[in-house]
Amino acid sequence: GENVEQHPSTLSVQEGDSAVIKCTYSDSASNYFPWYKQELGKGPQLIIDIRSNVGEKKDQRIAVTLNKTAKHFSLHITETQPEDSAVYFCAARLNGNQFYFGTGTSLTVIP
Amino acid sequence: KAGVTQTPRYLIKTRGQQVTLSCSPISGHRSVSWYQQTPGQGLQFLFEYFSETQRNKGNFPGRFSGRQFSNSRSEMNVSTLELGDSALYLCASSGSGRGAYNEQFFGPGTRLTVL
Repeated sequence: GENVEQHPSTLSVQEGDSAVIKCTYSDSASNYFPWYKQELGKGPQLIIDIRSNVGEKKDQRIAVTLNKTAKHFSLHITETQPEDSAVYFCAARLNGNQFYFGTGTSLTVIP
Repeated sequence: KAGVTQTPRYLIKTRGQQVTLSCSPISGHRSVSWYQQTPGQGLQFLFEYFSETQRNKGNFPGRFSGRQFSNSRSEMNVSTLELGDSALYLCASSGSGRGAYNEQFFGPGTRLTVL
């Protein structure tokens, strides 16, 4: 099956700085890569996703990049705000099969 | 549209008991997946149901089972509870078909504590 690795496990940034979280996957046939944000006491919330036929996708302060050759994808958050503090998970999926999740990154934005 | 709902939100059980958790997917969604989330193991896939049939299954013992009803609501059952079953159980729903790009949306979870 697929194996997704996520780094770093914890990340602290100053408010206004950028944050980058990276994930690698093992199955080159995986073709859908969502990112989730999980706040304390809540379920994961889908914040952005990318398909294998696209190299980059942006949504306001959030962007995701995908490098199919290297089998890695990254989440970029610019102009971070305290409300961005949460745990972020990446995932990979192959053609309607199950999702495989990374182990999560705890992001703290310091005011 | 209403989101994914899970009941109950919190449960306390003792070892050896069994428990049933319920999930109502987003209206129109036919796929329901279940995950176990623990601090040490992250999000672990349990199983996925689509149109009342189990479509994918994770690597969990047979004590963990599930089912899906004709209205797409799903239940998962854990029998003979162990201390290690204490976790947040998350349900996620996604759209119809086996489309590769179906987004998956999570419910708030059921926090199960086994004493």
